[in-house]
Order: sequence, then C-alpha cells, then structure tokens
Amino acid sequence: GENVEQHPSTLSVQEGDSAVIKCTYSDSASNYFPWYKQELGKGPQLIIDIRSNVGEKKDQRIAVTLNKTAKHFSLHITETQPEDSAVYFCAAKRNSGYALNFGKGTSLLVTP
Amino acid sequence: DTAVSQTPKYLVTQMGNDKSIKCEQNLGHDTMYWYKQDSKKFLKIMFSYNNKELIINETVPNRFSPKSPDKAHLNLHINSLELGDSAVYFCASSHTASTGELFFGEGSRLTVL
Repeated sequence: GENVEQHPSTLSVQEGDSAVIKCTYSDSASNYFPWYKQELGKGPQLIIDIRSNVGEKKDQRIAVTLNKTAKHFSLHITETQPEDSAVYFCAAKRNSGYALNFGKGTSLLVTP
Repeated sequence: DTAVSQTPKYLVTQMGNDKSIKCEQNLGHDTMYWYKQDSKKFLKIMFSYNNKELIINETVPNRFSPKSPDKAHLNLHINSLELGDSAVYFCASSHTASTGELFFGEGSRLTVL
C-alpha cells in the first residue's frame, strides 16, 4: 500500500518567517495530494490540495509543489503567524476505492 | 450546524468492556470513514463505507465492527476493549469515494483503563 513519509516532525519558526514541510510517497499511482491542518482538540481540516496534473498551487500565504517524478510534494507557508501553529499532515491517494493515507504529521510552532 | 458530528466526545471505560461511537454527517455525502489517531498523532484509516457498502477494511482486529444504517450515519462498535485501543477516533466523510477532500468530525477520545 501507499507509504507517506513526512519531515520534519517538529518545526519552530519566528513570526514572519517561512515554513516548509516535505513529504514523499511510494505509490506511483497516487494522484491526489492534500494538506490538512489540525488544531488542538479539533479534527483535521483541508487547507490546500494538488492533483498530479499540476506542479504548483498557491492560495494566499500557502503554496504546495509536486514533483511526480521524484514522488515529492511540499507545503510552503510564508509570513507565518502565531495562528499558523498546529499539526500539519500531508496525504496521498489513488482513485476511488483507496483510502487517503497520511504522513505522521509536523508540529509547527510560530513564536511571536 | 456541525457538518460531521460524533458522540461521545470522551469515553473512559475498563478493559474488556464493549463500547460504541456514533457518527452523523449532514453534508449529503456518499462516503464515510473511520480513522484512528494514536498518541503520536498518526492518522490511520480503519474503514470506509460508500452508500452503506463497506469499501475499505484495513487490517483492524475483528473486535471492531462498523455499521452504516444509511449513508448519513456510520457507527463503530468495539468489543472486549484493550489498553491499546486508547486513541482518538475520527469520523470523516467525502462527497464520493473518488472525491479527495475529507471532512472530519471533532474526534472521540477513548481511554481504556
């Protein structure tokens, strides 16, 4: 099955700096790569996603890049704010009938 | 209105007991899921139902039995609870089985003593 590796497991940045989280996946048939943010005591929430026919996608301060050849994808958060502090999960999925498989999460701390 | 709601939010019980967690979604989605999040925050798929039919059944002990009475509800029953079952269980839904975005509930924290 799909194996998603995520790094780093913890990340601490100063407010205003950028944060980058990287993931690799094993299943070359995976074609959907979302990123979820989980705040304390809450369920994960989708923040951005990318499909395999696109190399990069941006939404305000958040961007995701995908390298299908290398099976890498990354989350970039610019101008970080304290409210960005949370656990971030990458995930990968094949077509219908297959589950969304998550990385082990990155705990991001943005200090004022 | 909460889109995906789970009850109970907290559950503390003794080893060997049987317990259930209920989930309901009001989004009109076809597909529902149960994920288990362990103490290290790892999210692992357990089951998925599409229009009341089981479509994903990962390697989960058969003490865990999901039931979907209709496509808006997916319940999880656990028999003979063990210490290792302590975790947060998340219910989620998606528009269809091929749609990517999952909508998660707030989680049900199960503690087995």
